[in-house]
Amino acid sequence: AQSVTQLDSHVSVSEGTPVLLRCNYSSSYSPSLFWYVQHPNKGLQLLLKYTSAATLVKGINGFEAEFKKSETSFHLTKPSAHMSDAAEYFCVVSEGRDNYGQNFVFGPGTRLSVLP
Amino acid sequence: EPEVTQTPSHQVTQMGQEVILRCVPISNHLYFYWYRQILGQKVEFLVSFYNNEISEKSEIFDDQFSVERPDGSNFTLKIRSTKLEDSAMYFCASVARDNNYGYTFGSGTRLTVV
Repeated sequence: AQSVTQLDSHVSVSEGTPVLLRCNYSSSYSPSLFWYVQHPNKGLQLLLKYTSAATLVKGINGFEAEFKKSETSFHLTKPSAHMSDAAEYFCVVSEGRDNYGQNFVFGPGTRLSVLP
Repeated sequence: EPEVTQTPSHQVTQMGQEVILRCVPISNHLYFYWYRQILGQKVEFLVSFYNNEISEKSEIFDDQFSVERPDGSNFTLKIRSTKLEDSAMYFCASVARDNNYGYTFGSGTRLTVV
């Protein structure tokens, strides 16, 4: 069974500085990996996804993530934080199952605070 | 870009009452899901639905819960007799096919049981 660990429950950065949100996963199969963002009182928005193509994945709003199989990691980065990036970020792993739909396994989330 | 639509955005109900949460998945999608997020906790899988039947469900999805796709466009989650601990954000999601292209989530329905 797959699982996801997000090593930091809360990350605080200053506006204009880099963002690093860490994610490690375990999976019995070749997984697909996703990052979703949830702004306060909003739904889940897909930031980016890895589905066995390029290991460096670029997403929306300047975010990117690198899939490292040897480290079972999929860390999310952004070169320069913006105030609007303050939100909850979820790393998600998915394994396809024959003849059925998938379900996602969510990490516990990392709350990103951006200080002026 | 196609969206998954959920209604209502917020529902308040009294304990013991039945609620129906509605979702309109993306039209060419085949797999449908409900997740929930209790305030301050993880997003949890409830149920997946394919070909007009439940394909997987979690232990959370007990006899109080049911899902239905009544008319080929809507996908509903019914809670028969709500409890205080059912208060949560409920997310609907759909996906086109079983090859990990990722889910599209709705914006959620916040259910408050009083």
